[in-house]
Amino acid sequence: SYELTQPLSVSVALGQTATITCGENNIGNKNVHWYQQKPGQAPVLVMYRDRNRPSGISERFSGSNSGNTATLTIRRAQAGDEAAYYCQVWDSSIAGAVFGGGTKLTVL
Amino acid sequence: QVQLVESGGGVVQPGRSLRLSCAASGFTFSSYGMHWVRQAPGKGLEWVAVISYDGSNKYYAESVKGRFTISRDNSKNTLYLQVSSLRAEDTAVYFCAKDVALAGNGNFDYWGQGTLVTVSS
Repeated sequence: SYELTQPLSVSVALGQTATITCGENNIGNKNVHWYQQKPGQAPVLVMYRDRNRPSGISERFSGSNSGNTATLTIRRAQAGDEAAYYCQVWDSSIAGAVFGGGTKLTVL
Repeated sequence: QVQLVESGGGVVQPGRSLRLSCAASGFTFSSYGMHWVRQAPGKGLEWVAVISYDGSNKYYAESVKGRFTISRDNSKNTLYLQVSSLRAEDTAVYFCAKDVALAGNGNFDYWGQGTLVTVSS
């Protein structure tokens, strides 16, 4: 079954670009989705099927997925982007969803 | 607008049971798969279970298989999770989440605010 590997934490300077990765062997063959979760709140979908932004999500968010790594990129990072970010796939071999361990984004 | 409201959480002794509910509104409930996802205090998200749009297919995480049962009542627009034989490690906020797909094998486009289950003697 899939085990999605994310860095525990990523720091980015205000206004710069943050990159959050999600690794697994051949993840490029899967649809990867990303969620943002702020403390005390429910997760929010920020990217689906690798590179698609839901309505209402800033165009500063973008995604890609190839080979063994999926990536969520946040351009012109703002203080309001500080949150935990989780990647997720559907693993048909276990008929279940799998989440990465989460990455805490800090905007300096 | 889509709303998912969980209820039924609380403090429960190890080995006991609880039934969580998730009341849905703002969309055609009977057309989408639904999930339960939990989050232990200070930890990440853990998928728990999924049920297809019509309740015909249900799948569980290994950690809860045989102890938890997911179900739905499409006439009441409500999702359930019967949690039994509770253990300390089941302590978590339990979220219900709507899938974009009938079968429940897509992604989660809406989430409830969660209900806290604390397993403690």
